Amino acid sequence: EAGVAQSPRYKIIEKRQSVAFWCNPISGHATLYWYQQILGQGPKLLIQFQNNGVVDDSQLPKDRFSAERLKGVDSTLKIQPAKLEDSAVYLCASSPGLAGGHLTDTQYFGPGTRLTVL
Amino acid sequence: QKEVEQNSGPLSVPEGAIASLNCTYSDRGSQSFFWYRQYSGKSPELIMFIYSNGDKEDGRFTAQLNKASQYVSLLIRDSQPSDSATYLCAGQPEDNNNDMRFGAGTRLTVKP
Repeated sequence: EAGVAQSPRYKIIEKRQSVAFWCNPISGHATLYWYQQILGQGPKLLIQFQNNGVVDDSQLPKDRFSAERLKGVDSTLKIQPAKLEDSAVYLCASSPGLAGGHLTDTQYFGPGTRLTVL
Repeated sequence: QKEVEQNSGPLSVPEGAIASLNCTYSDRGSQSFFWYRQYSGKSPELIMFIYSNGDKEDGRFTAQLNKASQYVSLLIRDSQPSDSATYLCAGQPEDNNNDMRFGAGTRLTVKP
């Protein structure tokens, strides 16, 4: 079974530029997550999709970050304009999204995109 | 107050010893807890999850959950140098079973 795919793996941009990341989840997984992981910290959830609908985007800086999952499969995360503090690894994860609030809807992570903002 | 807290370490143990990693959580309604291992520069990979009080064993790994004390731990027996990594604890709040809150991670070094 193929894992979560992400691209690009690395990106270096200057502040105020725009950047986009792509994620393809594990086949059949209904739920997709974008996390931001700053060096030395645990992953912080930015946005969670269930199929093509947003479940939670409470921690997404909506003035500069946007995400979509139009067909309920792959997703893109965009930052426009980027700030220095956006330098981090952006992780995409997916889970089956088991119905009925199953206790152990395990998330599987992609390799991440390391973003450096200069 | 952070929802999930871990001792950032670093924790250093000799090869063959037992490594004990600890995690506390503030949301008493949290149901499930996950331990992820993250090698430097890599993405987190799931080691195991636990949702019942008590112990859960998987090979050299044992997860322990004490809901009354809001405490989760991971024991690694016969530690190997390849276990050297950052270990992330995550909890799923009761109100959203698909959401997870991660701790900052504990860095473990196993010395040969």
